[in-house]
Amino acid sequence: DAKTTQPPSMDCAEGRAANLPCNHSTISGNEYVYWYRQIHSQGPQYIIHGLKNNETNEMASLIITEDRKSSTLILPHATLRDTAVYYCIVRLDRGSTLGRLYFGRGTQLTVWP
Amino acid sequence: AAGVIQSPRHLIKEKRETATLKCYPIPRHDTVYWYQQGPGQDPQFLISFYEKMQSDKGSIPDRFSAQQFSDYHSELNMSSLELGDSALYFCASSLTGRGNYGYTFGSGTRLTVV
Repeated sequence: DAKTTQPPSMDCAEGRAANLPCNHSTISGNEYVYWYRQIHSQGPQYIIHGLKNNETNEMASLIITEDRKSSTLILPHATLRDTAVYYCIVRLDRGSTLGRLYFGRGTQLTVWP
Repeated sequence: AAGVIQSPRHLIKEKRETATLKCYPIPRHDTVYWYQQGPGQDPQFLISFYEKMQSDKGSIPDRFSAQQFSDYHSELNMSSLELGDSALYFCASSLTGRGNYGYTFGSGTRLTVV
């Protein structure tokens, strides 16, 4: 699975959009980009994933560049409860069991009032 | 909706003692994963089971063992505990064929070894 690089920390004002970048320059054609977050000491929570196209769900949007070497997770209206460590993970979809996830250092997002 | 249940939530043990952590996956999920997260660290994969058979093994010490039972719940057994085993232990579960949706983590067991 390809490695990812994320800024160690970011902050955002409540109500504003939080844009979290991730570099994955060694990603291969059949590897997906996943985003998880971990609110202090809780279990990691799945947010969104994508392969090539931009994706949106009720939690966030995922923008993947055309060359797929980087992506951005967008929380459109950040709230204080979005304060967490956000992990960008690149992994192969093997079509069956998921296999292990490699958590990198992640980005500590702090949303301030 | 049912989630992944872990027990106990907190556990305090002395050095050299044994601990057993339990994980009850989401109903009908057939794969269970165990992760360890030390203080200030990122989650590290320990081991996984698919249909009651070990499917992958990470950096799990030989002092640890795990299994998945016929009802799909899993137990992580830790013997000869060391101070460095103090960590959060997360269990996650997934359903084969639904890989694209990631998997669901439990709330974790906080193990403190004193």
